[in-house]
Formats: sequence, C-alpha cells, structure tokens
Amino acid sequence: AQKITQTQPGMFVQEKEAVTLDCTYDTSDPSYGLFWYKQPSSGEMIFLIYQGSYDQQNATEGRYSLNFQKARKSANLVISASQLGDSAMYFCAMRGETGANSKLTFGKGITLSVRP
Amino acid sequence: DTGVSQDPRHKITKRGQNVTFRCDPISEHNRLYWYRQTLGQGPEFLTYFQNEAQLEKSRLLSDRFSAERPKGSFSTLEIQRTEQGDSAMYLCASSPGTSGRYETQYFGPGTRLLVL
Repeated sequence: AQKITQTQPGMFVQEKEAVTLDCTYDTSDPSYGLFWYKQPSSGEMIFLIYQGSYDQQNATEGRYSLNFQKARKSANLVISASQLGDSAMYFCAMRGETGANSKLTFGKGITLSVRP
Repeated sequence: DTGVSQDPRHKITKRGQNVTFRCDPISEHNRLYWYRQTLGQGPEFLTYFQNEAQLEKSRLLSDRFSAERPKGSFSTLEIQRTEQGDSAMYLCASSPGTSGRYETQYFGPGTRLLVL
C-alpha cells in the first residue's frame, strides 16, 4: 500500500518569491512514480510535474521543480517566482508497481495563497 | 486537442434518487479512471478501465455504484439510491495507455454532487 503525507497548514507566499510545499510518502514498492497536481477553486486537477523513483535528476517544469530525496522519502514541490494565479490547493500523489497502471494515491493537499 | 469533459458539472438530488454522470476522455486515451473527492480530502480511487474492460474497483465502490465504458470511449458512473454520504466531487481522468508504467493522468473538471 502507498501513503502520502502532506501536513503543512495553509501556506502563504509573497508574489515573486519562491515557496516549498512538503510531501512525504511511504511505499514498499521498489519503483514508483510521484506526481504533483494543482486544484484551483474551479475544481479541476491540473498536472504539474512527475518524478520517477529511478530518475537520476530532479524533475523540472518551468517554474516548478521537485526536490526528490529518496532516502528520506520526500518529494517536495518548489514553485519559483510565485504568481497570484498560483493560489490553489496542491496535491502530491503516487503510483507504485502494484497497480502501476491504475490508481493514484493522493495526500490531503496544501492550500497556497499568494499575496500581492 | 480538447481535455477531459464531464457532465453535468453540478447535480443536486434527493436522498434515494438515482444519478448518472458522464465522462468523455481525451481522444484516443485508452485508460479511464474515476475518483471521488470529499471536502478537505484528496481524491480517492473508485475504478479504472482499459478500453471497455473494467480492470480494478475500489472497495469504496459499493453495490449502489456502477460504472461502464461500453465502447471504450466515454464512461458513465451511476449511483443508485443516493445517500447523503455520497455528496462529493466525482472526478474523471484519462491517460494514453501507451506511455509506460507511470504515465500521467489528466483530469476533467469534475461533477459536484449534493444529496439532500
């Protein structure tokens, strides 16, 4: 079974600054994939970034980067140069080898508010 | 290239009524997933289709829930004899089915269900 833990309370960041959203995970699978999604108030889950457990480098996608520390089982999302439109819920998710083609297991999410 | 679409976006019903939701995946995506999201939580997996075959069902999918994907294109999720505990956001996602083990799932806007 997989488990995702997101324990930060609501996060606040000043526009144009960087922010780190924490995610820890637990799995017994030897290989797995880690994902981050953004959910604005409209409800749609928007894919941001993916990290494979055997990827040699940390994933980056534009202003998003993933600080992957395998030994610590953490996969923190870093958003650089925050924008007002980044205000949303952010979910960390994973898929393990078991059910590799099926379900994502999500954390409870973190609320990010960007201040002008 | 259009994204995942869901219909209706909102549904209010009385306890005991049946409801049906529709999901149209991204064109040519072979895999389709249903999730349920309650307030303050991350999405929870319900079921998964590879083309028209339903390959996995969560224990959350009680006997009152049924999902179909008759021609491997759109999918429907029906809830019979709705209960107040069914009130949630129902999210549909799709993925290509050709990109490898941990391919990204792309989500639709969701259907918000309120059972009175």
